[in-house]
Amino acid sequence: DSGVTQTPKHLITATGQRVTLRCSPRSGDLSVYWYQQSLDQGLQFLIQYYNGEERAKGNILERFSAQQFPDLHSELNLSSLELGDSALYFCASSDPALGSGSYEQYFGPGTRLTVT
Amino acid sequence: AQKITQTQPGMFVQEKEAVTLDCTYDTSDQSYGLFWYKQPSSGEMIFLIYQGSYDEQNATEGRYSLNFQKARKSANLVISASQLGDSAMYFCAMREGFMKTSYDKVIFGPGTSLSVIP
Repeated sequence: DSGVTQTPKHLITATGQRVTLRCSPRSGDLSVYWYQQSLDQGLQFLIQYYNGEERAKGNILERFSAQQFPDLHSELNLSSLELGDSALYFCASSDPALGSGSYEQYFGPGTRLTVT
Repeated sequence: AQKITQTQPGMFVQEKEAVTLDCTYDTSDQSYGLFWYKQPSSGEMIFLIYQGSYDEQNATEGRYSLNFQKARKSANLVISASQLGDSAMYFCAMREGFMKTSYDKVIFGPGTSLSVIP
């Protein structure tokens, strides 16, 4: 168990809908990363938050947005969903407040999103 | 340009043998980190091993070791005494721009599928 939790585990929704994925980082970790893993695109970095602020952006669509709350949990919002958004969405956390100086990153179990 | 290259899409290894999974990377940063993750068919991403760019010793974690050759920009994963449970996808990843605003990111390679044969 990595200590990172994600809900829900599975999500099935229709095209055009909006969903919210939730992530709680490991206790004490300040950074949250979101990734999308699809069969044809591999593991794609979407966005990173550090202590509530957006730190880095990757291949995140404009229909997607994220935020990190004061308690450090994060939510990824996906709107106007398309069939191609079907994928496994991972959250990962790193950078403990009492840092060891390492860059280790731990993944949650993922949310499998199916858009029909 | 590919920042992380894993040239072996699929590998086979006999049980109890050692296997090396290749990874090369590209960065102009002096400070960066390299990781390996295992993804079994169940889907979770399992952190295996980490190597910092300034670490002089190669990282080891149990049966996993990372053969870090900084000048060649390679970070190969060595699994000793392979077990059937090692069958999985293995991803090499790099974190660069550590703590630099808008630049800090982690990039993953395409992965290598390892099959352990009894």
